[in-house]
Amino acid sequence: EAGVAQSPRYKIIEKRQSVAFWCNPISGHATLYWYQQILGQGPKLLIQFQNNGVVDDSQLPKDRFSAERLKGVDSTLKIQPAKLEDSAVYLCASSLGWGQGALGYTFGSGTRLTVV
Amino acid sequence: AQKVTQAQTEISVVEKEDVTLDCVYETRDTTYYLFWYKQPPSGELVFLIRRNSFDEQNEISGRYSWNFQKSTSSFNFTITASQVVDSAVYFCALSCRQAGTALIFGKGTTLSVSS
Repeated sequence: EAGVAQSPRYKIIEKRQSVAFWCNPISGHATLYWYQQILGQGPKLLIQFQNNGVVDDSQLPKDRFSAERLKGVDSTLKIQPAKLEDSAVYLCASSLGWGQGALGYTFGSGTRLTVV
Repeated sequence: AQKVTQAQTEISVVEKEDVTLDCVYETRDTTYYLFWYKQPPSGELVFLIRRNSFDEQNEISGRYSWNFQKSTSSFNFTITASQVVDSAVYFCALSCRQAGTALIFGKGTTLSVSS
């Protein structure tokens, strides 16, 4: 089966610019997650969707980050305006959901963002 | 609070040595899932294993084995006869309802295997 698709693979922007990342989860996966992985650390959850509703966005810096999941499938994560500390790899993941025992939890290849 | 601790930041071994990566977790949930992921230099997260809290049976897959002990809240990972290709960052992660089912990662252990 096809995996979790993310684009772009790399992005370099100047601080205060805006950027958007796209994610297409595995077909049939109800739950979609965006994680931020700063160099040298483990991934940290930014936001979790169940279908097209937000389940948890408690760690999303809402003054600059936003995310949506249209029609419960694809998702976009936006940063506006970007700061130097936003430099990280942004990982999208999807799973069948908790009722399935977090089965099928799969990560995309990530988008590496560099803010200069 | 939910937490995953990987106390070993970096481990260096020589090929063919056995190595164990430690993972200690905290949760009050009685139902939870534990994971191990490998992150090679290319950056992608490679799934290694998923274990639910009701299954304490140890698992072996080729050179990899996992020791799950609820009594000590540990889920350790052993690589037997390590190879250079095993060099990567290894993450232990926890998923439980209290955390909204997202994965809570440890800080990772960097394993370097030299020839």
